[in-house]
Amino acid sequence: EAQVTQNPRYLITVTGKKLTVTCSQNMNHEYMSWYRQDPGLGLRQIYYSMNVEVTDKGDVPEGYKVSRKEKRNFPLILESPSPNQTSLYFCASSSGRTVRPQHFGDGTRLSIL
Amino acid sequence: QKEVEQNSGPLSVPEGAIASLNCTYSDRGSQSFFWYRQYSGKSPELIMSIYSNGDKEDGRFTAQLNKASQYVSLLIRDSQPSDSATYLCAVTRGADGLTFGKGTHLIIQP
Repeated sequence: EAQVTQNPRYLITVTGKKLTVTCSQNMNHEYMSWYRQDPGLGLRQIYYSMNVEVTDKGDVPEGYKVSRKEKRNFPLILESPSPNQTSLYFCASSSGRTVRPQHFGDGTRLSIL
Repeated sequence: QKEVEQNSGPLSVPEGAIASLNCTYSDRGSQSFFWYRQYSGKSPELIMSIYSNGDKEDGRFTAQLNKASQYVSLLIRDSQPSDSATYLCAVTRGADGLTFGKGTHLIIQP
């Protein structure tokens, strides 16, 4: 089954404690991206990757890091999380080089206290 | 700063009627346009893509694009209660990031 898997689905943590949200896709997609969704602000792109070892900033990259060492994985790293990073996060992927996220993960709800 | 504007709603439409959702964008260099549907508590689902001026139809859905007016719309014919969701408009220049609107909350009244 084609899918994008995010882990964890839910996380409550404290300010400053480094965390990683993993994202893995089994469709051999080149394009992967991360979004955060906040009430009243909608869905905003954090980072995206067109291929292995190629990553670019989206609209709200501050406070986040990503890496794309393998085609299937695109982890989101919060080196020093802060309460303003409390949000619902989605990972997405699509085939080819088209920026057209077709498959979204189920989301990760992060709460930073 | 690229912006995508949508009326947040809620937009209430009787069952069986046509629902019309609108979106405007600020970046004239935008080349690709998408509509996503998102049910409460779920992830977005791509329902339509459109790349050139005019209409594109897929089942009960029609996407309309007018690049001169920087305007994209989504029509849902024969609206069903299951169409009740938030609809997100998204645009991109192509090989760059994707910018979403804040979404329109659509309610189909039985």
